[in-house]
Amino acid sequence: DAKTTQPPSMDCAEGRAANLPCNHSTISGNEYVYWYRQIHSQGPQYIIHGLKNNETNEMASLIITEDRKSSTLILPHATLRDTAVYYCIDSGAGSYQLTFGKGTKLSVIP
Amino acid sequence: NAGVTQTPKFQVLKTGQSMTLQCAQDMNHEYMSWYRQDPGMGLRLIHYSVGAGITDQGEVPNGYNVSRSTTEDFPLRLLSAAPSQTSVYFCASTFREKAGELFFGEGSRLTVL
Repeated sequence: DAKTTQPPSMDCAEGRAANLPCNHSTISGNEYVYWYRQIHSQGPQYIIHGLKNNETNEMASLIITEDRKSSTLILPHATLRDTAVYYCIDSGAGSYQLTFGKGTKLSVIP
Repeated sequence: NAGVTQTPKFQVLKTGQSMTLQCAQDMNHEYMSWYRQDPGMGLRLIHYSVGAGITDQGEVPNGYNVSRSTTEDFPLRLLSAAPSQTSVYFCASTFREKAGELFFGEGSRLTVL
């Protein structure tokens, strides 16, 4: 079973920032936070990951709270193509065995 | 670079038949794995491999076999298909030093009647 908790669905207006929350209540000190998304039953796509510090790449930003019990994935300017299911995952350093929960279905609305 | 290629994309089997889902990657990734995804659910790990000649079981290995004779290929064999194996199967790969950054294939949709 997934160790993280996410809302089942969210809406976001096109062009606005999408902020997707995740609770990591059982995360341990050496576990990373990973975010993936899955567009319409395609294969999941890696977005970003982090350990303690906030991270940013060309796709998104990741904010991790100081106690590491929650994180937020930010899509700064959501487009219709960002409509997808978003998964947050805790995983130990060097671990390949990612556990995907049900994720958050993000709908970007015109 | 083709990335991770899965074949076939669609397959219908009868109960008891056997078949092999193919997965190939051209990125020289050491790690490869197979997941299944049932409707409305997350992905569950079936088997994985950290290099040629090395395989191990994931969360739901029963009814499936794998082998890794080359770095590029990681086939998944269904020995005797059952309706409970109706699912979408995803293959994924990555470099050893980027363990959590998986590249996924487009999936293989299997229906067992």
